Amino acid sequence: KNQVEQSPQSLIILEGKNCTLQCNYTVSPFSNLRWYKQDTGRGPVSLTIMTFSENTKSNGRYTATLDADTKQSSLHITASQLSDSASYICVVSATSNNLFFGTGTRLTVIP
Amino acid sequence: KAGVTQTPRYLIKTRGQQVTLSCSPISGHRSVSWYQQTPGQGLQFLFEYFSETQRNKGNFPGRFSGRQFSNSRSEMNVSTLELGDSALYLCASSIRQAPGSYNEQFFGPGTRLTVL
Repeated sequence: KNQVEQSPQSLIILEGKNCTLQCNYTVSPFSNLRWYKQDTGRGPVSLTIMTFSENTKSNGRYTATLDADTKQSSLHITASQLSDSASYICVVSATSNNLFFGTGTRLTVIP
Repeated sequence: KAGVTQTPRYLIKTRGQQVTLSCSPISGHRSVSWYQQTPGQGLQFLFEYFSETQRNKGNFPGRFSGRQFSNSRSEMNVSTLELGDSALYLCASSIRQAPGSYNEQFFGPGTRLTVL
């Protein structure tokens, strides 16, 4: 069964600290994996898109990694800011054109 | 370039009523997808339209329907509303069909539907 699981469900960190969010998937055949950031009351915004051959991709303080062998991805946030408080959603695309969504990690950055 | 717009932003309806939501994609984008987002279930795919044709459909009952116009604008309709239909409905547009390909989707702000 094609699934995407994210952990932790929620996370609270101090401003300036780093954190890592996890995404494990069983989607096959795999096409690409995306991380989205969703602020409260707004639509998701794409952070990174990675294909099978890409191991790491950065977008400012956000760095995503992908291990296609173990079917795991992580999103690392460096030097967190209050504006990083949001939900982070992992989305995996199958080559069948279907999308599979994780339920997200709710990150709260406190001063 | 203007982003994806959705109207209305907020809507309150009662059980049994029907509702129509609208989505205007980014100029030049021909694919529009609709999603339902609830706290417990996360994002769930409803359907995708490309060139006025439904290309993909999620696992939702027939009460949920949509259409796309020649200018790529799309509408989603939910008939006989149920309490469980309360959710944030998101629309996303992309240049081409097939979100499974390396084809970025851009989301609108969503329509918050509350069914009483």
